[in-house]
Amino acid sequence: EAQVTQNPRYLITVTGKKLTVTCSQNMNHEYMSWYRQDPGLGLRQIYYSMNVEVTDKGDVPEGYKVSRKEKRNFPLILESPSPNQTSLYFCASSLRTSGSFTDTQYFGPGTRLTVL
Amino acid sequence: EDQVTQSPEALRLQEGESSSLNCSYTVSGLRGLFWYRQDPGKGPEFLFTLYSAGEEKEKERLKATLTKKESFLHITAPKPEDSATYLCAVRTISSGSARQLTFGSGTQLTVLP
Repeated sequence: EAQVTQNPRYLITVTGKKLTVTCSQNMNHEYMSWYRQDPGLGLRQIYYSMNVEVTDKGDVPEGYKVSRKEKRNFPLILESPSPNQTSLYFCASSLRTSGSFTDTQYFGPGTRLTVL
Repeated sequence: EDQVTQSPEALRLQEGESSSLNCSYTVSGLRGLFWYRQDPGKGPEFLFTLYSAGEEKEKERLKATLTKKESFLHITAPKPEDSATYLCAVRTISSGSARQLTFGSGTQLTVLP
C-alpha cells in the first residue's frame, strides 16, 4: 500500500530534550516536506527536500533541522524543543515538482507533539 | 505576499442541505489551487487540483470551481460522512518550484443526520 508513515504518532517531552520524528514513504517520491498545523494558522511549511542531500527552509524553519540521506526517509529533528513547538506535525511527499505544475502531495497521519 | 482565506470557518448543515465553501486568494500568479479533506486525527487527503479560471472538477457529491479570485467547493446533498475540515491551498509563481503550497485555515463542516 502506497503511504507516508510517521513515528511516533504522539509524543510528550520536556523543554530542551532532543527528539526526532521519523517520516518514510514507499512511493519512490523525490519531493518531501514537513508542515506544522496550529489552530487558526493552517498548515505551514517547515522544511522541504527536492531529493537526496538537497534540503531547504520553508516558512517556519527556526528550531528545526532535517536531513535526507535516503530517498524514502526525511526525519525532523528538534535539537532543543521549546513549548512554542507544541503542534501537530505532518510529513508529505510528491513525485516531483517542476515547471508550472505540482504533483499531488500525499500526507502522513501526523505526529502530535507536546513540549512541557 | 500570497494569501489564502477560507470561509466560513465552520458550517453546520442538515443531511441533504446543499451549500458551498469559499476559498479566496490573493497571489502573484496562480499555478494551481488544491482542495484537501482532513478528518480528525488524520493527514489531509487530496481531493482536487484546479489550474485555470473556469475549470470545474467533480467527485461524488463534491464539485470544485475556480475563478480568477476564488474557488468554491460545492457540496450537493451532503451526508454525515462528509463531515470533515476542508482545506484550500495554492501554488503560485512566488512559491517557486520547491515551496509548493500555501494553505488556508480550513472550513470545518459538520453534517447532521
